Formats: sequence, C-alpha cells, structure tokens
Amino acid sequence: EDQVTQSPEALRLQEGESSSLNCSYTVSGLRGLFWYRQDPGKGPEFLFTLYSAGEEKEKERLKATLTKKESFLHITAPKPEDSATYLCAVQALPGNTGNQFYFGTGTSLTVIP
Amino acid sequence: NAGVTQTPKFQVLKTGQSMTLQCAQDMNHEYMSWYRQDPGMGLRLIHYSVGAGITDQGEVPNGYNVSRSTTEDFPLRLLSAAPSQTSVYFCASSFSRLAGIGGELFFGEGSRLTVL
Repeated sequence: EDQVTQSPEALRLQEGESSSLNCSYTVSGLRGLFWYRQDPGKGPEFLFTLYSAGEEKEKERLKATLTKKESFLHITAPKPEDSATYLCAVQALPGNTGNQFYFGTGTSLTVIP
Repeated sequence: NAGVTQTPKFQVLKTGQSMTLQCAQDMNHEYMSWYRQDPGMGLRLIHYSVGAGITDQGEVPNGYNVSRSTTEDFPLRLLSAAPSQTSVYFCASSFSRLAGIGGELFFGEGSRLTVL
C-alpha cells in the first residue's frame, strides 16, 4: 500500500538553530515527491518537486533532498517567518491507484525568536 | 491573477442538508481536484478531473458528487450532509496531472464546513 510518513509531528527551534524534517514513503514506483508549506487557515503552497534519488533543490533557507525511501527538508538558520506546517506528498506511477497524490500528515514547525 | 478561488470560506449545515462548494481557477489548468483535511490525517482526495467532461473518484468519494462542465469550474456537491463530513475542504488544480513541469498542485484557501 502506498504510504507517506512525516516526522517529527512538531518541532520547536530557536531562531538560527538548523534542523531537518523527514518524509519517508513507500510507493510501487515514484513519479515525483513534493514539499508544500501550509500557514494556519490557508491552503498549501508549493515549495519543491524531486524526481529521483540524489536530487537536491534549494530555496532561501530550505533545501530538499531525496533518497530511494525518504526525503529530508533541511532548514538552515531558520527565522520566525519560517513557522508553518510542512507537508510532503508523493505521486505514484500509473497503476491501480492512478496518478493520485498521497500526502503525509505534516510537521508543524515553530521558530522562536 | 486570482489563482484558485473557493466559496464559501465558512459554512454550517444541519444533518441531511445539501450544499455545493464552488471552485474556480483562472490558470487554464487541465487537472482539478478536491481534498479534505482532517486533524491527524493527511489531505485525502475526494474526486478529481483531468479535463472538461471527465471526472473520477479519489480515496474518499462517498457522499460527494462532482461535475466539470467547463475548464475553469469544478463544484463539489454534498448530497445529504453528515457530521462525519465536518472538515476543511481544499480545491487544487494543476497544469498537468503528471509530476514534472506544471505537475505541482495549486490550492485554494479552503472551505471550512461544520455539519451539526
């Protein structure tokens, strides 16, 4: 069964304290792995797409990496405005499940000034 | 450029009532979808459409209907509301339903539904 698990559920960091969020997945074949940011009361906002193991993408203080079984979202020297819930989603290759996106439950990040 | 627009933002229904959540996008996206988000659970796909006149079921379709008469609009109908349908509903669209350039989802702001 296709599955996405994110850890930790919640993370509190001091401003400037770097850390990583984890997304582990099991799919029969990976078409793409996506990271989104969701602010309270808002819809998810796209951050990155990763397609193959070894790929990395960066945006400001965020860097996403991908292996065959998991993805990491590294946050370097975070600021309070980075506080949000970060969602991971995978899209499987066509098959019985079609082209659905499977979402994890998210990591709630709080950055304390 | 408005992106994905959902209405209403908030709604309270009584058990058994019906209603329609509206979704419109102005990006000429082929793919549109509806998700529900519940505490402790990931976003779950209700229905999706890969183009006008084409719809299909997602993971949790029971109790919901959709139609896609135009590229821009994808309304979600609750046929007979139940307390289990209390949730936050998100409409999302994509240029392509495949991962790759244009494969990412663009989400609306959400519709918060309470069924009493």
